[in-house]
Amino acid sequence: EVQLLESGGGLVQPGGSLRLSCAASGFTFSSYAMTWVRLAPGKGLEWVSTISDSVGSTYYADSVKGRFTISRDNSKNTLYLQMNSLRAEDTAVYYCATSYPFYDREPSYWGQGTLVTVSS
Amino acid sequence: QSVLTQPPSASGTPGQRVAISCSGSSSNIGTNYAYWYQQVPGTAPKLLIYRNNQRPSGVPGRFSGSKSGTSASLAISGLRSEDEADYYCAAWDDRLSGYVFGTGTKVTVL
Repeated sequence: EVQLLESGGGLVQPGGSLRLSCAASGFTFSSYAMTWVRLAPGKGLEWVSTISDSVGSTYYADSVKGRFTISRDNSKNTLYLQMNSLRAEDTAVYYCATSYPFYDREPSYWGQGTLVTVSS
Repeated sequence: QSVLTQPPSASGTPGQRVAISCSGSSSNIGTNYAYWYQQVPGTAPKLLIYRNNQRPSGVPGRFSGSKSGTSASLAISGLRSEDEADYYCAAWDDRLSGYVFGTGTKVTVL
């Protein structure tokens, strides 16, 4: 069974940092692209970042470029999102997703999400 | 601001057919595959359609997708109460080098 378990969310002050993790199981993690997507209160889904499989090419939304860094540790089957210089508008539920079972970049299976609140 | 445009709402009675449009451009839907996701509020999004018109295992045949030019469409036939949810189209955008979601459509079963 495919499982994606996000962690690391919480309350952080504007300008602060947070690192999200996504522990994956049930598939060959290193073979598939991984993606972070967020859902802000009252808004629609917003793509944040994607990292390709073992090659590790990265892509970012303009809204987070230069502030967020996506990475993966294939030995630990874990995806990360380092978030720096956080703003109120980064408040959202953050979902990790995998392209499994498809060898595409697009997200297929999603985790349950972790809430990030940026507020003083 | 999303580059994929959807109607904000759609509705129907049980058993009816509902169609949701998704308007994009040559750099996203016009060049790449369209995807559709269903999100029941408070739960994780679920993939409904991939590569324009393919259904993942476990998705009922009532859901179908199509693409023409720079637009895509999702149809739900035989509408059921459990289909009440938000629906999003999405596609990779070559100009932005990123994945873009539609504005979302809330489907209500009357």
